Amino acid sequence: GAVVSQHPSRVICKSGTSVKIECRSLDFQATTMFWYRQFPKQSLMLMATSNEGSKATYEQGVEKDKFLINHASLTLSTLTVTSAHPEDSSFYICSASGLAAYEQYFGPGTRLTVT
Amino acid sequence: AQSVSQHNHHVILSEAASLELGCNYSYGGTVNLFWYVQYPGQHLQLLLKYFSGDPLVKGIKGFEAEFIKSKFSFNLRKPSVQWSDTAEYFCAVRGDTGFQKLVFGTGTRLLVSP
Repeated sequence: GAVVSQHPSRVICKSGTSVKIECRSLDFQATTMFWYRQFPKQSLMLMATSNEGSKATYEQGVEKDKFLINHASLTLSTLTVTSAHPEDSSFYICSASGLAAYEQYFGPGTRLTVT
Repeated sequence: AQSVSQHNHHVILSEAASLELGCNYSYGGTVNLFWYVQYPGQHLQLLLKYFSGDPLVKGIKGFEAEFIKSKFSFNLRKPSVQWSDTAEYFCAVRGDTGFQKLVFGTGTRLLVSP
């Protein structure tokens, strides 16, 4: 099956700094990538959808200037949390889909802790 | 707006017991339905999906789900669970037309005791 990786798996940063999370599709071309956030004991909440070479589409309530998404190639998307604060601490998960777009393949997630 | 409701937040079963996890959705149109599983420390994996056709869908590892349109439900079942089925299970729904985002339920944490 299709494999999606995320790096790093865990990151701890100080308040006010920025953190970049990478999402890669390893064995297929991901025309669309999705970024989710998962709070403890809660569901995955879609933050934004990005198509390769286009600006990301953000969900209502998600600050695009805080969560910068870049999808520069068919195998790589990045999420940068700018000026992170403790309330940004969460589990961030990316997924990717190919041309068929019917299925999303999920990465293993990145645990962000902001101190 | 779409929504998904999973009624059981935590389920504890003994090995060989039968499993049924409830999932109800709200959406005013044709839907695609999914069950994902997340084993401890691992990423989300697709268990099974329903797009059209036979409403009884069989997935991996002996799981199946039945789409009942009149009840807006897509319950997940397994006749006999194993300890290795311990995981979190997420139901998700997506509208069938155009590009539609996946909407997830809150998940059900299943613990199977040996």
